[in-house]
This record gives sequence, C-alpha cells and structure tokens, in this order.
Amino acid sequence: GIQVEQSPPDLILQEGANSTLRCNFSDSVNNLQWFHQNPWGQLINLFYIPSGTKQNGRLSATTVATERYSLLYISSSQTTDSGVYFCAARTGANNLFFGTGTRLTVIP
Amino acid sequence: GAGVSQSPSNKVTEKGKDVELRCDPISGHTALYWYRQSLGQGLEFLIYFQGNSAPDKSGLPSDRFSAERTGGSVSTLTIQRTQQEDSAVYLCASSFTGPGEQFFGPGTRLTVL
Repeated sequence: GIQVEQSPPDLILQEGANSTLRCNFSDSVNNLQWFHQNPWGQLINLFYIPSGTKQNGRLSATTVATERYSLLYISSSQTTDSGVYFCAARTGANNLFFGTGTRLTVIP
Repeated sequence: GAGVSQSPSNKVTEKGKDVELRCDPISGHTALYWYRQSLGQGLEFLIYFQGNSAPDKSGLPSDRFSAERTGGSVSTLTIQRTQQEDSAVYLCASSFTGPGEQFFGPGTRLTVL
C-alpha cells in the first residue's frame, strides 16, 4: 500500500503561535484527509483534500498532488488545538492508509 | 444528522473469549470500514463493505476475525478466542460512496486480560 509519512512527530507551541504540519505520500492519491484526534480518541474530520487548497477558520490545508505532499496550517493556536493530527491517503484501494501522526501540544 | 455510532464504548474480556463490536454508519452511507488503532501498529485497515458487493477482507489479521453487514447498514465485527495482542481501539468509519470522505465513530476500546 501507499506509504504516508508525517513530520514533525512532536510539536510544542506557545498559545497564539502558527504551525505547519507536513504529510508526504509515496503514490498518487484519490483521497487525502486530515484528522484531529482529540483526548478522548475521537477522529475529527478537518479536511478532505486530494488536491488544491481549503480553509476553515484558523486552519487551512494544501495538497500538491503532483509532488506528493500535503500541508496543514494552524494559525493563532489555542490550547484546544492540542492532540494528534493524522494525515491519511488512499490510492486506488478502498481503505485509507494513515501516517503515524503529529502530536501537538499548545501551552498557555 | 447523527454521526457514526459504535457500541460498546469499552469492552474488557478474558483471553479466549469471543467478542462482538457493533457499528451504526451514517444513514445513507453505502461504504463502511473497520480499522484498529494500537500502540505498536498505529491505525490499520481491517475490512471494507460497499453496498451488496463482497467485502474486502484483506486487512483482517487472522481467521479469528470476521465481520458482517446486515441490510447494508449495521455492521458487527467478531473476534473469536481473543488474545492479548487484540487489545486496541476498534474504529468504524463510513462514507457516502466508496471513494468519498470517511467519517469515524468514537471507537470501542477492547482490553483482553
């Protein structure tokens, strides 16, 4: 299956700071999703973005499919942004392949 | 509308017992997936159902694992003769169509003693 790599593995930010999370994938994709896993383990959908750029409030994402990477931007971070961020991708197969996540800690 | 629901939220069982985990997908979603999340393996795919087609079982780790989907809606994942390495969070997801955006349920945390 497709290989999905995320960086950095861990990130500590001061509240109010901006950050960029990266996701590299090894093959062309027909589905690319970003999730936030909250402290209770729920995977929250952030973006469905196989290509292009999307924005939702303080979050935005860009996928450059031809170069096989996606970026998640978090601006003006808040303590509630803490948690693990997962990137997941699919090629022609049915299932998503997940990266190992970026653990974000926002300190007040 | 309601999201994906799963039950039970937690399950503790003894090694060798059988367990059943249930998933209710979002109404109208034709595709349903099971994944599991464990400390050593991350998030991994188990099985996929699409409409009335034969399921894709390529991710099931052993023949102790099986799943069914009745009436194109509710799904049950069954693990027979549970082992300690089966301890994990089992996540269900659904999508409107096969290639579409997947939405996840809250998961069932399984602990095998």
